[in-house]
Amino acid sequence: QSVLTQPPSASGTPGQRVTISCSASSSDIGRNTVTWYQQFPRTAPKLLIYSNKERPSGVPDRFSGSKSDTSASLTISGLQSEDEAVYYCSAWDDGLNGPVFGGGTQLTVL
Amino acid sequence: QVQLRESGPGLVKPSETLSLTCNVSGYSISTGSYWGWNRLSPGKGLEWIGGFYHGGTALYNPSLKARVTMSADTSKNHFSLKLKSVTAADTAVYFCARWIVFGSGSNWFDSWGPGTLVTVSS
Repeated sequence: QSVLTQPPSASGTPGQRVTISCSASSSDIGRNTVTWYQQFPRTAPKLLIYSNKERPSGVPDRFSGSKSDTSASLTISGLQSEDEAVYYCSAWDDGLNGPVFGGGTQLTVL
Repeated sequence: QVQLRESGPGLVKPSETLSLTCNVSGYSISTGSYWGWNRLSPGKGLEWIGGFYHGGTALYNPSLKARVTMSADTSKNHFSLKLKSVTAADTAVYFCARWIVFGSGSNWFDSWGPGTLVTVSS
């Protein structure tokens, strides 16, 4: 089973650009697309980015995703206080025959 | 707009069966989409439990496959999860979701229920 590794925490001040990384232990990310979810306390995860860089309707364009080989990144430009949340990456795991999630990154807006 | 909501007991005794239902509105579960279950726990983080395409084969996380059953009732537009022989390690917030799956390895959960906490304890 592939493991997706994220930093447990990240922080930034309002207006800054913050990047959260997601690194795969196998080549699954290279072959498959990456999804990012945003979760606020006591709520369900919300789809933020799919197919590496696509944003669902309603997601601000200051959220962007990218992928390269076995790693992916979520970048938040013009950080806002309401962006404080936990962010998870996910990708299809061929061995699992299903999705695997990263451990999540707690983003703090200072 | 599709909406999902989980329901079921919040407390299950060890060795018993956890049973949850996901009620779906705004979209028919028999219309071209996968449906899935995930859970979130402090120890394991977010974990995919499994999912199915109505009329198709269910996919289960191999680590849970021996204990999991999923089913659907299209007349009620809901689907269900059963997890047998539970232990404290199954204590988690359980989410149902609409699951978009493409054969090319692309997948995402685009609509989630609010989640329901299930505690395994005697």
